Order: sequence, then structure tokens, then C-alpha cells
Amino acid sequence: QVQLQESGPRLINPSETLSLTCTVSGGSISSYFWTWIRQSPRKGLEWIGYIHSSGTTNFNPSLNSRVTMSVDTSKNQFSLRLSSVTASDTAVYYCARTTVTSADTDFWGQGTLVTVSS
Amino acid sequence: DIQMTQSPSSLSASVGDRVTITCRASQTINSYLNWYQQIPGKAPKLLIYAASNLQSGVPSRFSGSGSGTDFTLTISSLQPEDFATYYCQQSSSIPFAFGQGTKLEIK
Repeated sequence: QVQLQESGPRLINPSETLSLTCTVSGGSISSYFWTWIRQSPRKGLEWIGYIHSSGTTNFNPSLNSRVTMSVDTSKNQFSLRLSSVTASDTAVYYCARTTVTSADTDFWGQGTLVTVSS
Repeated sequence: DIQMTQSPSSLSASVGDRVTITCRASQTINSYLNWYQQIPGKAPKLLIYAASNLQSGVPSRFSGSGSGTDFTLTISSLQPEDFATYYCQQSSSIPFAFGQGTKLEIK
């Protein structure tokens, strides 16, 4: 059974960069899309983007200029960086696995609440 | 961007009821439509992928149908553990947007 676990700071200051890492266990990181999704009361579920195990990325255009993602296949980890954060970036952030065939997201991490506040 | 609209936003029903939730896409997405269930405090769980395919381990009382722009999720006989919020998501084109959710409550 594939399991995912988010890690990273839970509280960050406005204008700083949010950094999260997702560790994948119970399966290989190869041949899937690895996705970040966030959820807030104001915006609901918001798809941030994905990175393929090959390094190919696709991001939500609304966040495109602020998002970077990376993957480390040797550690079975992938990461999200979101720059210049504001209070509206406060949300529960989920990492997840997305299939290449139909792009459904079949395994999710438990989620981590990241708060942007000074 | 493709917009996803679910109806109703909330629904009250009883154990044993048959329930249908609708999801409409702002443009055609073929069958690239997924359904998720979310219990408060938990991550969403995949129920149906590619409009009508039941995810492994999901009870057969859940079913999905539709193609193009109009889709439905049906629960044939509600069980107590089914009271949750349900989301559709299109995976046809970037960004893979979600609907706003349908909260299913006990009557």
C-alpha cells in the first residue's frame, strides 16, 4: 500500500517561500505524476500542479509564476516551493499520486496545515 | 480554464436512500471525470475514475456515469459511513479543477 507523508514548516511569514516535501513509501516513485493540492474554506480544493518522475511539470496557471517542484527518485521524495506567500496561501496542503492513464489521484497524504502569518 | 459545477451543494438523506449528485463541466472533458469522498479532517478518497470506473476497494453501491459535460455519482443505498462531502474533478486539461463539493447529511 502506497503511503505519502508531507513535511515542512507549519507557520511562515508573508512574502517568504513555502517549502514542503512529500515522502513516498510502499511503492516506487517512477512512472506516475506526483501532485500537490491545497484546500481552504475560501477556495475549496485547488489543484496546484504535478511533477512526473522524469521531472516534467505542469502547474496551475493561477500560481505558475510562484511554483516550483522537484523530485528526488533516490529518496522517493518530491517537493513543492511556493514563493511570495500571502495570507491567502494559508491552507491544508496535500501531496498525492496521480495516474498517468486517466490522471485520477488515487493515493493522498494526510495533509498538513500551513499558516501564513507574521 | 474548465469550471466544474456540482449540484446540489448540500443534500439531506436517510440510511437506505438512493442518492444522485450531478457534476457539469463548462466544456467537454470526454470521460476524464473523477469522484472523491471526503470525511472531515481526512484527505479525499478516490471513488470513481474516468467517469464510471470503480476504484479498487470501493463498495459497489457507488457508481458513476456520464460523458462530455454532464456526469452523475449515484449511491444506491446509503450507509452511515457515506455521510461526507463529495467532489468531482476533471482531469482532461490543466488545471485539473474540482467542483465546489456536495455535503451529504443525515436527515
